Amino acid sequence: SQQGEEDPQALSIQEGENATMNCSYKTSINNLQWYRQNSGRGLVHLILIRSNEREKHSGRLRVTLDTSKKSSSLLITASRAADTASYFCAWVTQGGSEKLVFGKGMKLTVNP
Amino acid sequence: DAGVIQSPRHEVTEMGQEVTLRCKPISGHNSLFWYRQTMMRGLELLIYFNNNVPIDDSGMPEDRFSAKMPNASFSTLKIQPSEPRDSAVYFCASSLMNSYFEAFFGQGTRLTVV
Repeated sequence: SQQGEEDPQALSIQEGENATMNCSYKTSINNLQWYRQNSGRGLVHLILIRSNEREKHSGRLRVTLDTSKKSSSLLITASRAADTASYFCAWVTQGGSEKLVFGKGMKLTVNP
Repeated sequence: DAGVIQSPRHEVTEMGQEVTLRCKPISGHNSLFWYRQTMMRGLELLIYFNNNVPIDDSGMPEDRFSAKMPNASFSTLKIQPSEPRDSAVYFCASSLMNSYFEAFFGQGTRLTVV
């Protein structure tokens, strides 16, 4: 990735379990976002958290942000087979030309 | 709205040929991004435009790559001459400048240079 990593790189769980994905970045940010990508498709925006926020919820998604540790986590509760996809964190860099930079992504497999 | 539209979806070309990828952003969006995705390097930001003006092209790999946005509804990414290492999926995305860059992606163009 250009400036960060997701952890783990791949995760396989059973339907109904929770999935937690972690993201680290290296710069000052304006906000952090999570995206999902199904195989062979474009990325779809899931949730955005601003740099002055610590936690945000959207349906089965919960995202946290710790700017002191330059890290974020995405929790998907009660996972479904349809959640199988690659997940990416992305952040808008702060200062200079603000731009949207992506981590390398991680593959989530939810087994029925 | 039809979303971000990219063409072609697939492109196979011979090394040395010119390749032009096209993008139509969502109507009303005023930021446009070009990304390249490979297994090795992930999603790389190549260039982005605000109000049709290139703001940051530091990700463009070399002079063989160029991008234009002649108006708010159309952008091109050109590779001339193409090389096998340019093989990747190229994504275009658009957003509103005041939406903290919440980006909407096209389906991508899978480029294969042989």
